[in-house]
Amino acid sequence: DAKTTQPTSMDCAEGRAANLPCNHSTISGNEYVYWYRQIHSQGPQYIIHGLKNNETNEMASLIITEDRKSSTLILPHATLRDTAVYYCIVRVGGGADGLTFGKGTHLIIQP
Amino acid sequence: DTGVSQDPRHKITKRGQNVTFRCDPISEHNRLYWYRQTLGQGPEFLTYFQNEAQLEKSRLLSDRFSAERPKGSFSTLEIQRTEQGDSAMYLCASSLEGTGRFYTFGSGTRLTVV
Repeated sequence: DAKTTQPTSMDCAEGRAANLPCNHSTISGNEYVYWYRQIHSQGPQYIIHGLKNNETNEMASLIITEDRKSSTLILPHATLRDTAVYYCIVRVGGGADGLTFGKGTHLIIQP
Repeated sequence: DTGVSQDPRHKITKRGQNVTFRCDPISEHNRLYWYRQTLGQGPEFLTYFQNEAQLEKSRLLSDRFSAERPKGSFSTLEIQRTEQGDSAMYLCASSLEGTGRFYTFGSGTRLTVV
């Protein structure tokens, strides 16, 4: 598995955009970038994923650099409910084996 | 059916006792996964099923652990002779073959071994 590096924690003011970085310098050509988040006392929740193009959905945007060695998850208007641990995971898109989670980034949204 | 259900939400047991957890996946999902999460760490993969077949087991899954999915629907995870080191959150996830790594997780079972 390609490994990822994320900051341990980040703060963001409510209503501002939260930008969460992830480094994945050893990513392979067929590996996708996935983002999940885990709110306290809940299971992880899928947010978004991408291969090489930028992606946007109702929850977030994913910006992947041209060399694919890093990416940024953007929560455009953070709310207090976005306080969670955010995991960046790099895996082949198909397949059935499990995800490998690191420690993630603890994002704290400040009122 | 709106999500993955896990039962119980919390379990406290004495060291040496056996415990069993249940997971009910999203009904049309044919893949089911078990993870374990300790405090401050991300979830760690334990095992997964495709329909009723258990196709992969992590080395974390010692011989005291056994998982079943008898009819390809719900699954159980049993831990025999529990140890204090087994204290963790046990998470279940399900997915539909062909949908990539879009997994839906349950809220987990918190096990405390005293």
